[in-house]
Amino acid sequence: EAQVTQNPRYLITVTGKKLTVTCSQNMNHEYMSWYRQDPGLGLRQIYYSMNVEVTDKGDVPEGYKVSRKEKRNFPLILESPSPNQTSLYFCASSPGGSSYNEQFFGPGTRLTVL
Amino acid sequence: GQNIDQPTEMTATEGAIVQINCTYQTSGFNGLFWYQQHAGEAPTFLSYNVLDGLEEKGRFSSFLSRSKGYSYLLLKELQMKDSASYLCAVRGDKLIFGTGTRLQVFP
Repeated sequence: EAQVTQNPRYLITVTGKKLTVTCSQNMNHEYMSWYRQDPGLGLRQIYYSMNVEVTDKGDVPEGYKVSRKEKRNFPLILESPSPNQTSLYFCASSPGGSSYNEQFFGPGTRLTVL
Repeated sequence: GQNIDQPTEMTATEGAIVQINCTYQTSGFNGLFWYQQHAGEAPTFLSYNVLDGLEEKGRFSSFLSRSKGYSYLLLKELQMKDSASYLCAVRGDKLIFGTGTRLQVFP
């Protein structure tokens, strides 16, 4: 089944404890992206990747890192999480090397930072 | 800058027709998307418009007027399962999402 998977789906952590949220897609998509969704603010892009080894900042990149060593994986790293990073996170992918196509979203990761 | 406006909430009755509007301001324009998002779930793609006019897909249609910076999503023969948030997203220099319109369908 063609899909985008994220792990973990739920995570409660404490301030300053490094964490990684994994994202994987099995559709051979070139473009991948991370978003956070907060009430009243909509989906905001954190980082995106046009292809392997190519990543770029979105609208709200502060406090996050990403890597794209393989086409299928695009992990999101929070080196030192803070409470303002409590949010619902979505990974997305689309065919082609841009967001010019419909995006397929993962199921979401609900992160709480205490 | 880029900005998207859509109503926060709407209500409608099962079997009715509802129109969800979206107005936008962007630097450049390369297409407009509508996504559906049920509570606690991921957004799923509904439609894409890049040229002016109406795109119909079953019970859902989407309209675009580039000169007015305006789009709408039309949902016909509403069903209870259509209760969800509907996100308008515009690709200008970058892709941005509106805050979504929460639609509640009542029996």
